[in-house]
Amino acid sequence: QKEVEQDPGPLSVPEGAIVSLNCTYSNSAFQYFMWYRQYSRKGPELLMYTYSSGNKEDGRFTAQVDKSSKYISLFIRDSQPSDSATYLCAMSAFYSSASKIIFGSGTRLSIRP
Amino acid sequence: EPEVTQTPSHQVTQMGQEVILRCVPISNHLYFYWYRQILGQKVEFLVSFYNNEISEKSEIFDDQFSVERPDGSNFTLKIRSTKLEDSAMYFCASSERQGAEHEQFFGPGTRLTVL
Repeated sequence: QKEVEQDPGPLSVPEGAIVSLNCTYSNSAFQYFMWYRQYSRKGPELLMYTYSSGNKEDGRFTAQVDKSSKYISLFIRDSQPSDSATYLCAMSAFYSSASKIIFGSGTRLSIRP
Repeated sequence: EPEVTQTPSHQVTQMGQEVILRCVPISNHLYFYWYRQILGQKVEFLVSFYNNEISEKSEIFDDQFSVERPDGSNFTLKIRSTKLEDSAMYFCASSERQGAEHEQFFGPGTRLTVL
């Protein structure tokens, strides 16, 4: 089983729709959960960061972590064409003192005007 | 806004040649990282570096790879004898402090093509 699994998409939705992006993981040691956004020919950019279980909201973005199910989600409300990018879930374990990040494969999202 | 920069943006080399990828981390950051992303695959951790020492490295980071902070601003990744499978995007990242709660800022990447 892969450490982090993410549906690669592509996912295409109309402008204004709610987008749901998901990842599952197998390593119980993961404590820090992140979502990165990556535009074409650019490096990953941190969108949201969550420690342990629960929800976190930032504007139109909500991150959810369910450690019991080893499942994390990112919701985008009122999606905009500028949200079109690849979204990477990422995780890190507390024991990793060097902050090694394990990435999912990324979901390519396209918002149609 | 401070940012991580990387040069060159694209490097083409022949198999067996040595390459050096360069990064300038954000100036007050102390922790440095290299990741790579083979086309169509996930971003993979290679190595982390602090206080002129490797903190952690992955199984990908074998004897062909080395990292160095040759001066106060640059952070380099050297591949001694490139292989076809080294073709990938290489991302440098830096963070102010240690710990997963401290954001790693990524550079735009260097696309390495090994022929």
